Amino acid sequence: DIQMTQSPSSLSASVGDRVTITCRASQSVSSYLNWYQQKPGKAPKLLIFAASSLLSGVPSRFSGSGSGTDFTLTISSLQPEDFATFYCQQSYNSPYTFGQGTRLEIK
Amino acid sequence: QVQLQESGPGLVKPSETLSLTCAVSGGSMSSYYWSWIRQPPGKGLEWIGYIYYSGSANYNPSLKSRVTISLDTSKMQFSLKLRSVTAADTAVYYCAREIFGSGYYFGRRWFDPWGQGTLVTVSS
Repeated sequence: DIQMTQSPSSLSASVGDRVTITCRASQSVSSYLNWYQQKPGKAPKLLIFAASSLLSGVPSRFSGSGSGTDFTLTISSLQPEDFATFYCQQSYNSPYTFGQGTRLEIK
Repeated sequence: QVQLQESGPGLVKPSETLSLTCAVSGGSMSSYYWSWIRQPPGKGLEWIGYIYYSGSANYNPSLKSRVTISLDTSKMQFSLKLRSVTAADTAVYYCAREIFGSGYYFGRRWFDPWGQGTLVTVSS
């Protein structure tokens, strides 16, 4: 199985901050990499697919980049509604696997 | 807009079979993959498996011996059966539509949307 490792596991930031979350794959996944946001008690929601494509309706302050084994999710200016847990997920090989999550908290 | 809704027992006894159904509304089941994903309390996400609208399925090897996913397009639903459950199978179970990219995105796959999730507890 492809292991997905996110860093950091948790992060404290303030409204207006620029935040970057990293996801590393144990082998190349090309651009078969997606990002999800999960708020407490809710289902995950897709933010970015194919490493860098923003889902329609997702605010443009979210962006994704990377290819191969190293990927980043960037939030350019944090808003109060962005505080949540973020997961990366590879769809290059079955079984699909997720990172352990990055919890973004208010400072 | 496609919506998914899980249903099924919230409590299952050890060694019995967990059975859940996902109802699909607002769109067609054709040409999509339909997945189950679970999340133990306070932990991360684990993909269980998918079924294609044609009926072919693919499972996570870690669960393959105990899992069956089936589809009923006439009822606009798909189902999960997980046999011989233990406490380790306690989790929120989500159903999700899996999109297979085309054109520039050919081969890429992602989950959207997800159901709201249903907590299944395994306990006697």
